[in-house]
Amino acid sequence: AQSVTQLGSHVSVSEGALVLLRCNYSSSVPPYLFWYVQYPNQGLQLLLKYTSAATLVKGINGFEAEFKKSETSFHLTKPSAHMSDAAEYFCAVRHTGANSKLTFGKGITLSVRP
Amino acid sequence: NAGVTQTPKFQVLKTGQSMTLQCAQDMNHEYMSWYRQDPGMGLRLIHYSVGAGITDQGEVPNGYNVSRSTTEDFPLRLLSAAPSQTSVYFCASSSAGHEKLFFGSGTQLSVL
Repeated sequence: AQSVTQLGSHVSVSEGALVLLRCNYSSSVPPYLFWYVQYPNQGLQLLLKYTSAATLVKGINGFEAEFKKSETSFHLTKPSAHMSDAAEYFCAVRHTGANSKLTFGKGITLSVRP
Repeated sequence: NAGVTQTPKFQVLKTGQSMTLQCAQDMNHEYMSWYRQDPGMGLRLIHYSVGAGITDQGEVPNGYNVSRSTTEDFPLRLLSAAPSQTSVYFCASSSAGHEKLFFGSGTQLSVL
């Protein structure tokens, strides 16, 4: 079964610093990968997705992620953190097959210090 | 734009009570699903549906029932609530490609 691993549960950065949130996947074939963001008391929103086109994917709010098959990784980055980036971030993988389902990682909480 | 609408937003139940969480979407999406979110566990899939009349179990289906009589609605039923079902529940929908899930705002359920 396809799965994703998000190491750690909390990341804290200073405003203006680089944001790096890690995600590794397990799959025998290149999967579809996603990053979702959840702001407090809200549902999840799609940040970006990888669907076997370009390996460097740009998303909303200045975030991007790079698919690295050799490392089975899909880490999320943003060059300069903003206070409004404080949220919980989920990596997800889509199962293959006609009735594919989305499996989420456990999530990482990002805090941004002034 | 309504998107995915969940009701109620908050609910408190006693052990053994039953209730239905409502979910409706107005985007004509074929795929709908229910997740529960618990601290440190991410989102876990309870049940999903790929179209009216078709439902299937996800990762944690025990204690929950679903039905899909129309494209728009996908209610989640708790027949006999248990404290272990205290959680935040999210409904989500997507078009046939499943490449982007649209989420509701969630239902916070407490079972005493």
